[in-house]
Amino acid sequence: AQSVTQPDIHITVSEGASLELRCNYSYGATPYLFWYVQSPGQGLQLLLKYFSGDTLVQGIKGFEAEFKRSQSSFNLRKPSVHWSDAAEYFCAVGNQAGTALIFGKGTTLSVSS
Amino acid sequence: EAGVAQSPRYKIIEKRQSVAFWCNPISGHATLYWYQQILGQGPKLLIQFQNNGVVDDSQLPKDRFSAERLKGVDSTLKIQPAKLEDSAVYLCASRSGQGNYEQYFGPGTRLTVT
Repeated sequence: AQSVTQPDIHITVSEGASLELRCNYSYGATPYLFWYVQSPGQGLQLLLKYFSGDTLVQGIKGFEAEFKRSQSSFNLRKPSVHWSDAAEYFCAVGNQAGTALIFGKGTTLSVSS
Repeated sequence: EAGVAQSPRYKIIEKRQSVAFWCNPISGHATLYWYQQILGQGPKLLIQFQNNGVVDDSQLPKDRFSAERLKGVDSTLKIQPAKLEDSAVYLCASRSGQGNYEQYFGPGTRLTVT
């Protein structure tokens, strides 16, 4: 079955500390991987995406993610978290054909001062 | 470039009433998706259109939900009659399909069924 697992439901990080959000996927085809962020009452904003090539991808707002095929993972990282990063983060998997994305259940990030 | 537009942003109805949501995708985007996001979960596909044809509606509760995209541009999603468990955010997304694999999401419509 195709699925995305985000093991951490809620993470709290101190402002200025580093962040890693985990994402594991199970997908039958070549995966196209995405990280989205959703602030309260807002839609989904794309942070970054991986289709092919360099397995370390850079995104907006200082985020990066690394694709590890052997571990079926696509973890999101940020070296120094800002209070404005508090939001819900979703990992998703799709394919080249444009079928619907399969999302994880999300990780809520809280930032403490 | 204008983003995906959705209306209304919020809707409160009583169970057994009907409701309709509207989506206008990014100009030129052939593929349009409707997702349902229940509180505490990730979005799940309800229906996918390619131009004005349905590609995937396998997860659409067809006894109460319907959707159309008559001219291959904007789309309407309808629920009739609504149930309490339909309370969710309904997200519309579009994709150009021309070498761009990204889906662009609208702000969503938050539906509360009382």
